[in-house]
Amino acid sequence: LAKTTQPISMDSYEGQEVNITCSHNNIATNDYITWYQQFPSQGPRFIIQGYKTKVTNEVASLFIPADRKSSTLSLPRVSLSDTAVYYCLVGGGGSTLTFGKGTMLLVSP
Amino acid sequence: ETGVTQTPRHLVMGMTNKKSLKCEQHLGHNAMYWYKQSAKKPLELMFVYSLEERVENNSVPSRFSPECPNSSHLFLHLHTLQPEDSALYLCASSQDSAQDYYGYTFGSGTRLTVV
Repeated sequence: LAKTTQPISMDSYEGQEVNITCSHNNIATNDYITWYQQFPSQGPRFIIQGYKTKVTNEVASLFIPADRKSSTLSLPRVSLSDTAVYYCLVGGGGSTLTFGKGTMLLVSP
Repeated sequence: ETGVTQTPRHLVMGMTNKKSLKCEQHLGHNAMYWYKQSAKKPLELMFVYSLEERVENNSVPSRFSPECPNSSHLFLHLHTLQPEDSALYLCASSQDSAQDYYGYTFGSGTRLTVV
């Protein structure tokens, strides 16, 4: 299973863009990159998934460089309700999702 | 509501009790999972079921017993638990355990406290 490394925590203010980078140096050819969001005492929620280049949905953007050894989750104009833990996962094609410790994002007024 | 429903939301049980956690999904998914999340720890995968058959069991103590009667329902039977088993138990489902490209849908979890 590809191991991921992401910052333990990040701080931001309302209205700012937040970028969370995840390293996954030993990503396999058939692995996808998936990000989840988790609020306290709730289950993780799927945010976005990508394989290469850029993916955008109504919630976030995901940037993946050509070598795919890292990825960046971009949250535009965060609000207080975006305070949560964000998990970067790498896998697919037969491997069950393994969660790391995630990044605790704190958005302040 | 995420499409995966877990009951109860909260449960307090003594070490000699027997209780069950229930998970239900009507998303048409074929795979279901139990995860455990202890305080300040990553989610730990406990069990994986695909088409009602257990396909993965991550060395979970026998005091946790899963049951998957059909592809829409998943249970976790608990007996003689220890205080360190207190945690948030999360159920998830996906279209296919062998190809998780579509991601997992999680329930809201059951907060279990063992006293």
